[in-house]
Amino acid sequence: EVQLVESGGGLVQPGRSLRLSCAASGFTFDDYAMHWVRQAPGKGLEWVSGISWNSGSIGYADSVKGRFTISRDNAKNSLYLQMNSLRAEDTALYYCAKDSASYYGEGEFDYWGQGTLVTVSS
Amino acid sequence: EIVLTQSPGTLSLSPGERATLSCRASQSVSSSYLAWYQQKPGQAPRLLIYGASSRATGIPDRFSGSGSGTDFTLTISRLEPEDFAVYYCQQYGSSPLFGPGTKVDIK
Repeated sequence: EVQLVESGGGLVQPGRSLRLSCAASGFTFDDYAMHWVRQAPGKGLEWVSGISWNSGSIGYADSVKGRFTISRDNAKNSLYLQMNSLRAEDTALYYCAKDSASYYGEGEFDYWGQGTLVTVSS
Repeated sequence: EIVLTQSPGTLSLSPGERATLSCRASQSVSSSYLAWYQQKPGQAPRLLIYGASSRATGIPDRFSGSGSGTDFTLTISRLEPEDFAVYYCQQYGSSPLFGPGTKVDIK
């Protein structure tokens, strides 16, 4: 059974940093691209970032480019999102999602975690 | 930059009725890269349809997807009580993008 478990969310002040983690199990992690998707309270889904199986291809939404960094550790079956210079508008539930393909941009998001909540407020 | 528009914003129907949800793109989307997701309150999204018309694993056949180019449709042939939810379309090219969603609620 595929499982994606996010952690690392919490309350953080504007301008500070936070690192999210996603622990994956139930599939061969290093065969697939992975993504972060967020959902602000009461709003729709917003793709944040994606990374290919070997970290060779990475993409970011314009809203986070230059502030967020996605990475993965295939030996630990883990996906990460380093979030710097956080803003109030980054407040959201952050989901980790598995891609059906090895390279991001080529597959749908076939499994999702339950999310970790990030609140940016002073 | 592609923009996805979903209509209607809210669809009020009764169990047993047919639901037709629309997703329109501002420019042509490869049919291979169009998906639909269902999200219920307090839950993560669930993949329903990929490649515009292929059902994901375990999805009942009352869900079907169609369309090409800039116009795509998700059809639920007979609404079951568990189908009342928000539905998002997504294009998953180099910059994955979700539509704003259509809420299907009970009339």
